[in-house]
Amino acid sequence: DTGVSQDPRHKITKRGQNVTFRCDPISEHNRLYWYRQTLGQGPEFLTYFQNEAQLEKSRLLSDRFSAERPKGSFSTLEIQRTEQGDSAMYLCASSLRTSGGWETQYFGPGTRLLVL
Amino acid sequence: AQSVTQLGSHVSVSEGALVLLRCNYSSSVPPYLFWYVQYPNQGLQLLLKYTSAATLVKGINGFEAEFKKSETSFHLTKPSAHMSDAAEYFCAVSINQAGTALIFGKGTTLSVSS
Repeated sequence: DTGVSQDPRHKITKRGQNVTFRCDPISEHNRLYWYRQTLGQGPEFLTYFQNEAQLEKSRLLSDRFSAERPKGSFSTLEIQRTEQGDSAMYLCASSLRTSGGWETQYFGPGTRLLVL
Repeated sequence: AQSVTQLGSHVSVSEGALVLLRCNYSSSVPPYLFWYVQYPNQGLQLLLKYTSAATLVKGINGFEAEFKKSETSFHLTKPSAHMSDAAEYFCAVSINQAGTALIFGKGTTLSVSS
């Protein structure tokens, strides 16, 4: 399978704990996106990287959230001091951005987080 | 600001019936529009996309959508529903070719009965 993969698929944690999620994009893709999806809503953009550079962050991404893509390949999303409101599905997507070309975002299966 | 409105959070059809899922967008610039499908416990899969090449776009699994600028709509249709089409469908807009963030609608759950 050469699609976008995410790990873990499910995470249950207690309020106040830190959690980290990993995303492995499609190998040649230079852009990587994080979205959050809560129940009954569509995905909401959090942040994206082009190679290792984080180019845009949403206002949804509070100071407790941090994302990295250190070598321009896989990415991690960390949530510190989790709150019950952080419970959601966290989706990763990747795309290939070429000059003058169109890009399509391909999504992974998501990590479902439950904060107790 | 760009936005997407999906009319009807839940649509039910019988197997073999026409599927129509509605999407209206708001954009100050020519938009690029997408339909994604999400099956239970899975990520989003691209069904089709509109990038200004043709107003009628054909996608996978027999789905198609028509871009109507005058109506600011991009409705998704399929002539004959299959049981396997039961899923959640999301319409999304991107404001430029450079992509960056997609703005999604709230989704429409399609149920198909036999």
